[in-house]
Amino acid sequence: NAGVTQTPKFRVLKTGQSMTLLCAQDMNHEYMYWYRQDPGMGLRLIHYSVGEGTTAKGEVPDGYNVSRLKKQNFLLGLESAAPSQTSVYFCASSYPGEAEGPTDTQYFGPGTRLTVL
Amino acid sequence: EDQVTQSPEALRLQEGESSSLNCSYTVSGLRGLFWYRQDPGKGPEFLFTLYSAGEEKEKERLKATLTKKESFLHITAPKPEDSATYLCAVPGYNQGGKLIFGQGTELSVKP
Repeated sequence: NAGVTQTPKFRVLKTGQSMTLLCAQDMNHEYMYWYRQDPGMGLRLIHYSVGEGTTAKGEVPDGYNVSRLKKQNFLLGLESAAPSQTSVYFCASSYPGEAEGPTDTQYFGPGTRLTVL
Repeated sequence: EDQVTQSPEALRLQEGESSSLNCSYTVSGLRGLFWYRQDPGKGPEFLFTLYSAGEEKEKERLKATLTKKESFLHITAPKPEDSATYLCAVPGYNQGGKLIFGQGTELSVKP
């Protein structure tokens, strides 16, 4: 049981390049999330998904796109990378509890450290 | 506006020196408070969930408590391996239940 895995672990891009970050979970969770973590800013939600085929915007969605074609995978895309997107990206997943919305415990992946030059 | 504030930002302890970390929150209708531990270069690791005022949970040298306005993470007789950043988070009422994280407390325990 690997939990939440992320690919790649590190990446360096030039401004304007594109890339896709892959998140996979083997816990059969319905909900998946993408966060970015920056010094002094804490963890901020980029996009999330409440099920296969669905996505929604979080707090800082601009410059990112996501797709959830399979329940176990959640992809984060950067179409034209900018230096402001230099960050550590974390994926998380959760299984919804009884309360409305994704309030149950979120389990995080190991992160992807992205540098945009 | 929903908000989570953690204090102190950094805490240095000697091994065996007990202390507490604070997490203050402002949210309409608390639906849980989560504590995570994050080691450098790694993702947050789940520690506890607290759902109602007065609730307490323990794990080894850690004990989390919850009141109507804040949560405390008590560390008893810490060891160097307890050094990490501790994050707390709450579901935001106006944000569809998505988690709002505090900035974290960086704990360093020296032998």
